[in-house]
Amino acid sequence: EIVLTQSPANLSLSPGERATLSCRASQSVSSYLAWYQQQPGQAPRLLIYDASNRATGIPARFSGSGSGTDFTLIISSLEPEDFAVYYCQHRSNWPYTFGQGTKLQIK
Amino acid sequence: EVQLLESGGGLVQPGGSLRLSCAASGFTFSSYAMSWVRQAPGKGLEWVSAISGSGGNTQYADSVKGRSTISRDNSKNTLYLQMNSLRAEDTAVYYCAKDVYSKNDRFFGWFDPWGQGILVTVSS
Repeated sequence: EIVLTQSPANLSLSPGERATLSCRASQSVSSYLAWYQQQPGQAPRLLIYDASNRATGIPARFSGSGSGTDFTLIISSLEPEDFAVYYCQHRSNWPYTFGQGTKLQIK
Repeated sequence: EVQLLESGGGLVQPGGSLRLSCAASGFTFSSYAMSWVRQAPGKGLEWVSAISGSGGNTQYADSVKGRSTISRDNSKNTLYLQMNSLRAEDTAVYYCAKDVYSKNDRFFGWFDPWGQGILVTVSS
């Protein structure tokens, strides 16, 4: 089973700042990595798939990069609605796994 | 608009059984692989099971393998998860989720959208 490790676990930033979230895989997942956003009490929402492709309707301030074992989600300028928990997920092989999440909080 | 609506959750005793349902609308249900993903209270996401559009291919996490069965009725646009021998650690919100793409009855493994989730509590 591929283990995804996200860092940091918690991130405190102010609106307008740039957020950089990381996800590291225990073995190569090629570009088969996605990012999801989860607001409190809501279902997750797909942001990025195949490491760098924005899902439908996702603002351009969200971008993803990386391949192999190291991946990054960048939010270029934080909006109030961006403060949430973010998860990475791979689909390289079975079972699919998720990272433990990064909680992005308002500073 | 794509909609996924889970039902069938609730309180069940350890060792008991439960069948979750996910009613789908707004897309050609039989063309898309579907998955179940769960989230224990205050915890992260755990993929549980997936089924291809035709229903001919199924996959399970080790944590539920042998105790759960995923199935679908494409005539009713409904996904199911039969869970047996339930344990306290199965307590979670269970989400159904649609694969983003469909092609040749394959799994693509990116989930969008998700249902609103249904709570399963395993406790005596």
